[in-house]
Amino acid sequence: DAKTTQPTSMDCAEGRAANLPCNHSTISGNEYVYWYRQIHSQGPQYIIHGLKNNETNEMASLIITEDRKSSTLILPHATLRDTAVYYCIVTSGTYKYIFGTGTRLKVLA
Amino acid sequence: GAGVSQSPRYKVAKRGQDVALRCDPISGHVSLFWYQQALGQGPEFLTYFQNEAQLDKSGLPSDRFFAERPEGSVSTLKIQRTQQEDSAVYLCASSQQTGASSYEQYFGPGTRLTVT
Repeated sequence: DAKTTQPTSMDCAEGRAANLPCNHSTISGNEYVYWYRQIHSQGPQYIIHGLKNNETNEMASLIITEDRKSSTLILPHATLRDTAVYYCIVTSGTYKYIFGTGTRLKVLA
Repeated sequence: GAGVSQSPRYKVAKRGQDVALRCDPISGHVSLFWYQQALGQGPEFLTYFQNEAQLDKSGLPSDRFFAERPEGSVSTLKIQRTQQEDSAVYLCASSQQTGASSYEQYFGPGTRLTVT
């Protein structure tokens, strides 16, 4: 079973920030939080990952709560091309991923 | 640089036929993974290689599924006597072992298998 819980779907207006939550209340100390997205008919694409600290790269920001039991992926200015299924994965990093069903994000024009 | 490639992209097989799906990982990547993705679901782990060694095959659904990576680079997933429930997208991913404690997996586009 996946170690994460995500909302099934979300909508976001184009140009606005998309905030995608993930609950991982059973995360252990050596486990990372990874985010991937999957655009229709493509393989999953890596977005960002973190352990304890908040992280930012050219695609997104990752905010991890202090107790590490939840996190939020932020797409600062969503575009239509960000419409995809977003997966939050908890892993010790060197091994198989356990995907849940993810959040289907729809960016609206 | 080149990403992970998979071939064929689409495969239609009649029930009972054998199929072979190929994965070319990113050059130099030590780890290789196969996942199966049913329609509307997230990918599910099948098997894992570190170089040519298959370290985990716990996700293979039956003994009809077999994977190999003989030279530690290209990998083949073989399904014998295909059944309709084998219809899915088969994803391959590779990752680089850098000695760091975490590293991302890079996925190929997948092979969509339809068994009729």
